[in-house]
Amino acid sequence: QVTLKESGPGILQPSQTLSLTCSFSGFSLSTSGICVSWIRQPSGKGLEWLATICWEDSKGYNPSLKNRLTISKDTSNNQAFLKITSVDTADTAIYYCARSGAPPVHYFDYWGQGVMVTVSS
Amino acid sequence: IQLTQSPSLLSASVGDRVTLSCKGSQNINNYLAWYQQKLGEAPKLLIYNTNSLQTGIPSRFSGSGSGTDYTLTISSLQPEDVATYFCYQYNNGYTFGSGTKLEIK
Repeated sequence: QVTLKESGPGILQPSQTLSLTCSFSGFSLSTSGICVSWIRQPSGKGLEWLATICWEDSKGYNPSLKNRLTISKDTSNNQAFLKITSVDTADTAIYYCARSGAPPVHYFDYWGQGVMVTVSS
Repeated sequence: IQLTQSPSLLSASVGDRVTLSCKGSQNINNYLAWYQQKLGEAPKLLIYNTNSLQTGIPSRFSGSGSGTDYTLTISSLQPEDVATYFCYQYNNGYTFGSGTKLEIK
């Protein structure tokens, strides 16, 4: 059974760095062809892909946010991480992690429940 | 690639055949998926690679299309289908459409 669960700080102030953790089970990020991604959704709005990390440690970032994002993984502990630097109120959103295949089969078949992150002074 | 979904809001009756549209700004080469998101929940994968039904999804859901134009069809709308539906392309970058909110009339 594949499950993913996100965790984060809940609330942080503008200019701080957001650190998110995705803990998963039922698959391994050392398995060929497997990737984990981060996607976010501001309240009442659409979905935005942020970043992906795959089994062989390749990484991809949304070009509009690339300079602020860092994705990483801990394969032995079944975790993936995302850091976003210099946050502001526009980064307030629900953040999801999801499993996907490697390109070209880069669609998300399992999602976590999401974690709400609020940026406020 | 930008994705345009239409309509943004759709109201239909139980039992109706419902069609949702997703149009890309460039050729998507069939690398298109559909997601269902119910209020307060994470998105759920319905369809991938244009027309492949994800395991466990009812057969009343189907996908079709090619090039820049894609469609999600619900053959007989059920009350539990009330949700927002997003298309997603993975041919060139990774982008989602803005969604179609489906209501029961």
